[in-house]
Amino acid sequence: GAVVSQHPSWVICKSGTSVKIECRSLDFQATTMFWYRQFPKQSLMLMATSNEGSKATYEQGVEKDKFLINHASLTLSTLTVTSAHPEDSSFYICSATVALAGVKEQYFGPGTRLTVT
Amino acid sequence: AQSVTQPDIHITVSEGASLELRCNYSYGATPYLFWYVQSPGQGLQLLLKYFSGDTLVQGIKGFEAEFKRSQSSFNLRKPSVHWSDAAEYFCAVGDTGTASKLTFGTGTRLQVTL
Repeated sequence: GAVVSQHPSWVICKSGTSVKIECRSLDFQATTMFWYRQFPKQSLMLMATSNEGSKATYEQGVEKDKFLINHASLTLSTLTVTSAHPEDSSFYICSATVALAGVKEQYFGPGTRLTVT
Repeated sequence: AQSVTQPDIHITVSEGASLELRCNYSYGATPYLFWYVQSPGQGLQLLLKYFSGDTLVQGIKGFEAEFKRSQSSFNLRKPSVHWSDAAEYFCAVGDTGTASKLTFGTGTRLQVTL
Protein backbone atom coordinates (compact mmCIF):
# COMPACT_ATOMS: atom_id res chain seq x y z
CA GLY A 1 0.00 0.00 0.00
CA ALA A 2 0.81 3.76 -0.01
CA VAL A 3 2.13 3.90 -3.56
CA VAL A 4 2.79 7.21 -5.27
CA SER A 5 3.35 7.46 -8.99
CA GLN A 6 4.70 10.24 -11.18
CA HIS A 7 4.25 10.82 -14.85
CA PRO A 8 6.26 11.22 -16.93
CA SER A 9 9.38 9.66 -15.47
CA TRP A 10 11.50 11.78 -17.73
CA VAL A 11 10.84 14.57 -20.19
CA ILE A 12 12.86 16.69 -22.56
CA CYS A 13 11.45 19.99 -23.69
CA LYS A 14 12.60 23.04 -25.55
CA SER A 15 13.30 26.33 -23.83
CA GLY A 16 10.18 28.48 -23.60
CA THR A 17 7.68 25.64 -23.53
CA SER A 18 5.67 24.41 -20.56
CA VAL A 19 5.77 20.98 -19.01
CA LYS A 20 3.24 19.31 -16.74
CA ILE A 21 4.20 16.65 -14.22
CA GLU A 22 1.55 14.51 -12.52
CA CYS A 23 1.72 13.02 -9.05
CA ARG A 24 -0.84 10.40 -8.09
CA SER A 25 -1.54 8.49 -4.90
CA LEU A 26 -2.61 5.11 -6.22
CA ASP A 27 -4.19 3.39 -3.24
CA PHE A 28 -4.96 6.12 -0.77
CA GLN A 29 -6.30 9.62 -0.58
CA ALA A 30 -3.85 12.36 0.14
CA THR A 31 -5.06 15.68 1.38
CA THR A 32 -1.53 17.01 1.28
CA MET A 33 1.14 16.52 -1.34
CA PHE A 34 4.60 18.03 -1.48
CA TRP A 35 6.82 18.95 -4.40
CA TYR A 36 10.58 18.77 -4.11
CA ARG A 37 13.40 19.65 -6.43
CA GLN A 38 16.74 17.91 -6.45
CA PHE A 39 19.81 19.07 -8.31
CA PRO A 40 22.48 16.51 -9.21
CA LYS A 41 24.32 15.19 -6.19
CA GLN A 42 22.38 17.49 -3.89
CA SER A 43 19.61 17.17 -1.37
CA LEU A 44 15.89 17.61 -1.83
CA MET A 45 14.58 21.12 -1.52
CA LEU A 46 10.93 21.60 -0.71
CA MET A 47 9.26 23.77 -3.34
CA ALA A 48 5.66 23.85 -2.22
CA THR A 49 2.95 22.22 -0.19
CA SER A 50 -0.18 21.30 -2.09
CA ASN A 51 -3.51 20.88 -0.33
CA GLU A 52 -6.54 19.51 -2.11
CA GLY A 53 -8.98 22.22 -3.09
CA SER A 54 -6.84 25.15 -2.04
CA LYS A 55 -3.92 27.17 -3.30
CA ALA A 56 -0.46 25.76 -2.87
CA THR A 57 1.91 27.21 -0.32
CA TYR A 58 5.28 27.99 -1.83
CA GLU A 59 8.60 28.04 -0.05
CA GLN A 60 10.62 31.21 0.00
CA GLY A 61 12.42 31.82 -3.26
CA VAL A 62 10.15 29.60 -5.37
CA GLU A 63 8.36 31.48 -8.14
CA LYS A 64 4.70 30.57 -7.92
CA ASP A 65 3.97 31.93 -11.37
CA LYS A 66 6.64 29.73 -12.87
CA PHE A 67 5.85 26.56 -10.97
CA LEU A 68 2.09 26.19 -11.09
CA ILE A 69 0.66 23.61 -8.74
CA ASN A 70 -2.85 22.26 -8.91
CA HIS A 71 -4.32 19.74 -6.48
CA ALA A 72 -7.64 19.01 -8.11
CA SER A 73 -8.50 15.81 -6.29
CA LEU A 74 -7.45 13.75 -3.31
CA THR A 75 -5.33 11.53 -5.53
CA LEU A 76 -3.79 13.94 -8.04
CA SER A 77 -1.50 16.94 -7.89
CA THR A 78 0.17 18.51 -10.90
CA LEU A 79 3.23 20.68 -11.25
CA THR A 80 3.51 22.78 -14.40
CA VAL A 81 6.83 24.37 -15.21
CA THR A 82 5.93 27.35 -17.35
CA SER A 83 8.25 28.88 -19.91
CA ALA A 84 10.93 26.42 -19.00
CA HIS A 85 14.60 27.34 -19.26
CA PRO A 86 17.73 25.21 -19.03
CA GLU A 87 18.22 26.21 -15.40
CA ASP A 88 14.90 24.51 -14.62
CA SER A 89 16.43 21.19 -15.57
CA SER A 90 16.28 19.08 -12.46
CA PHE A 91 14.82 16.02 -10.78
CA TYR A 92 11.35 16.75 -9.44
CA ILE A 93 9.94 14.50 -6.72
CA CYS A 94 6.49 14.57 -5.21
CA SER A 95 5.26 13.01 -2.01
CA ALA A 96 1.86 12.37 -0.54
CA THR A 97 0.89 12.34 3.09
CA VAL A 98 -1.28 9.67 4.61
CA ALA A 99 -2.28 9.09 8.20
CA LEU A 100 -1.38 5.64 9.50
CA ALA A 101 -2.35 4.76 13.05
CA GLY A 102 -2.91 8.42 13.74
CA VAL A 103 0.48 9.50 12.49
CA LYS A 104 1.04 11.23 9.18
CA GLU A 105 3.76 9.87 6.96
CA GLN A 106 5.06 10.86 3.57
CA TYR A 107 5.42 8.50 0.67
CA PHE A 108 7.53 9.56 -2.25
CA GLY A 109 7.05 9.18 -5.94
CA PRO A 110 9.84 7.86 -8.18
CA GLY A 111 10.64 11.33 -9.51
CA THR A 112 10.58 13.05 -12.89
CA ARG A 113 13.74 14.12 -14.62
CA LEU A 114 13.23 17.29 -16.61
CA THR A 115 15.77 18.38 -19.21
CA VAL A 116 15.27 21.72 -20.91
CA THR A 117 17.26 22.23 -24.08
CA ALA B 1 14.18 26.85 12.02
CA GLN B 2 14.86 23.17 11.84
CA SER B 3 17.98 21.87 10.13
CA VAL B 4 19.79 18.62 9.52
CA THR B 5 23.51 18.07 9.14
CA GLN B 6 25.08 15.02 7.60
CA PRO B 7 28.81 15.55 8.10
CA ASP B 8 29.95 12.82 5.74
CA ILE B 9 29.44 13.51 2.07
CA HIS B 10 30.90 10.23 0.88
CA ILE B 11 31.70 7.00 2.71
CA THR B 12 33.30 3.85 1.35
CA VAL B 13 33.09 0.56 3.19
CA SER B 14 33.94 -3.01 2.31
CA GLU B 15 31.15 -5.50 1.88
CA GLY B 16 30.52 -7.23 5.17
CA ALA B 17 31.88 -4.38 7.23
CA SER B 18 29.79 -2.38 9.65
CA LEU B 19 28.38 1.00 8.77
CA GLU B 20 27.45 4.13 10.65
CA LEU B 21 26.09 7.24 8.95
CA ARG B 22 25.95 10.36 11.05
CA CYS B 23 23.05 12.75 11.36
CA ASN B 24 22.69 15.76 13.62
CA TYR B 25 19.56 17.84 13.82
CA SER B 26 18.46 21.17 15.15
CA TYR B 27 14.89 21.45 16.32
CA GLY B 28 13.15 23.26 19.12
CA ALA B 29 10.95 20.43 20.31
CA THR B 30 10.83 16.68 20.08
CA PRO B 31 11.56 15.94 16.46
CA TYR B 32 10.20 13.41 14.06
CA LEU B 33 13.29 11.85 12.47
CA PHE B 34 13.63 9.82 9.32
CA TRP B 35 16.21 8.04 7.24
CA TYR B 36 15.61 7.59 3.52
CA VAL B 37 17.61 5.81 0.85
CA GLN B 38 17.76 6.84 -2.78
CA SER B 39 19.19 4.76 -5.60
CA PRO B 40 20.43 6.62 -8.68
CA GLY B 41 17.59 8.20 -10.63
CA GLN B 42 15.00 6.90 -8.19
CA GLY B 43 12.69 8.32 -5.57
CA LEU B 44 13.13 7.94 -1.86
CA GLN B 45 12.45 4.85 0.19
CA LEU B 46 11.84 5.12 3.91
CA LEU B 47 14.30 3.03 5.93
CA LEU B 48 13.08 3.90 9.40
CA LYS B 49 11.60 6.63 11.53
CA TYR B 50 11.52 7.85 15.09
CA PHE B 51 8.52 9.54 16.63
CA SER B 52 8.69 8.62 20.31
CA GLY B 53 9.35 5.73 22.67
CA ASP B 54 12.29 3.39 22.33
CA THR B 55 15.25 5.40 21.14
CA LEU B 56 16.67 2.48 19.16
CA VAL B 57 14.54 1.93 16.10
CA GLN B 58 14.69 -0.91 13.66
CA GLY B 59 14.09 -0.44 9.98
CA ILE B 60 14.05 -2.35 6.77
CA LYS B 61 17.02 -4.03 5.13
CA GLY B 62 18.73 -4.62 8.47
CA PHE B 63 19.21 -0.94 9.31
CA GLU B 64 18.77 0.59 12.73
CA ALA B 65 19.14 4.07 14.16
CA GLU B 66 19.50 5.48 17.63
CA PHE B 67 18.00 8.75 18.78
CA LYS B 68 20.22 10.57 21.27
CA ARG B 69 18.59 13.71 22.50
CA SER B 70 21.64 14.86 24.45
CA GLN B 71 23.72 14.80 21.28
CA SER B 72 20.94 15.86 18.89
CA SER B 73 21.85 12.88 16.80
CA PHE B 74 20.09 10.12 14.91
CA ASN B 75 22.83 7.95 13.44
CA LEU B 76 22.07 5.12 11.07
CA ARG B 77 23.82 1.79 11.51
CA LYS B 78 24.07 -1.56 9.86
CA PRO B 79 26.22 -4.40 11.21
CA SER B 80 27.13 -5.91 7.84
CA VAL B 81 26.87 -3.99 4.59
CA HIS B 82 25.88 -5.61 1.32
CA TRP B 83 26.93 -4.39 -2.12
CA SER B 84 23.30 -3.55 -2.85
CA ASP B 85 23.33 -0.98 -0.05
CA ALA B 86 25.35 1.38 -2.23
CA ALA B 87 23.15 4.44 -2.60
CA GLU B 88 22.51 7.94 -1.29
CA TYR B 89 21.19 8.20 2.25
CA PHE B 90 19.24 11.15 3.55
CA CYS B 91 18.38 12.05 7.10
CA ALA B 92 15.32 14.25 7.58
CA VAL B 93 13.50 15.99 10.39
CA GLY B 94 9.79 16.73 10.41
CA ASP B 95 7.36 18.92 12.26
CA THR B 96 6.26 17.45 15.55
CA GLY B 97 2.64 16.36 15.46
CA THR B 98 2.35 16.13 11.71
CA ALA B 99 5.60 14.63 10.44
CA SER B 100 4.69 16.34 7.23
CA LYS B 101 6.97 19.14 6.22
CA LEU B 102 10.42 17.59 6.01
CA THR B 103 13.82 19.19 6.06
CA PHE B 104 16.51 17.02 4.52
CA GLY B 105 20.20 16.80 5.15
CA THR B 106 22.61 17.04 2.26
CA GLY B 107 22.94 13.29 2.01
CA THR B 108 25.73 10.74 2.34
CA ARG B 109 26.78 8.72 -0.65
CA LEU B 110 27.69 5.17 0.32
CA GLN B 111 30.06 3.20 -1.83
CA VAL B 112 30.57 -0.50 -1.13
CA THR B 113 33.71 -2.24 -2.28
CA LEU B 114 33.79 -5.97 -2.88
